[in-house]
Amino acid sequence: GQQVMQIPQYQHVQEGEDFTTYCNSSTTLSNIQWYKQRPGGHPVFLIQLVKSGEVKKQKRLTFQFGEAKKNSSLHITATQTTDVGTYFCAQNDNYGQNFVFGPGTRLSVLP
Amino acid sequence: GAVVSQHPSWVICKSGTSVKIECRSLDFQATTMFWYRQFPKQSLMLMATSNEGSKATYEQGVEKDKFLINHASLTLSTLTVTSAHPEDSSFYICSAAWTKWLINEQFFGPGTRLTVL
Repeated sequence: GQQVMQIPQYQHVQEGEDFTTYCNSSTTLSNIQWYKQRPGGHPVFLIQLVKSGEVKKQKRLTFQFGEAKKNSSLHITATQTTDVGTYFCAQNDNYGQNFVFGPGTRLSVLP
Repeated sequence: GAVVSQHPSWVICKSGTSVKIECRSLDFQATTMFWYRQFPKQSLMLMATSNEGSKATYEQGVEKDKFLINHASLTLSTLTVTSAHPEDSSFYICSAAWTKWLINEQFFGPGTRLTVL
């Protein structure tokens, strides 16, 4: 079955530093999604990437989909305390129904 | 953005009882609803996928007779944990999705924390 790996598992950064989390799949993906879950909250959809090599930006967040559509990354520039939370990537199968979430990367930002 | 509600937000029950959790999409019609459980500091684990008017599709290892899912309308899905036991204690999250062109975006409910004594 599908396996989704995310690294790192945890990341502690000083406010203002950059942060990157990586998502890798054992299979070629039709698309990939990224979610953010604040402590005690529920996951919130951030973005979906569909095209090979696609790069999308949301303010300080940059999302990238690998050329082979097997990996993706989320980069945050100049982190802020509001960025604290767990970032999950999620992929669905080629039928577009089932979603498999990665284990998540827990980000702590020290003020 | 779209809003999904869950009720109750938390529930404590005795072992052997059944608990029903409701998931509603408040301002859109969801083509598909998903049920997840999440253990502390762990990722979401998909339990089942349901489409309105049809039987839910359960993930491997999830007992369909224990976790009953009913998707009666495009805005309501329910998960019933039957004969709950302490090991069923978890955070249950639903999400609702709709297809907009080629994009499937999931909107998550706030979750239900179940504690079985």
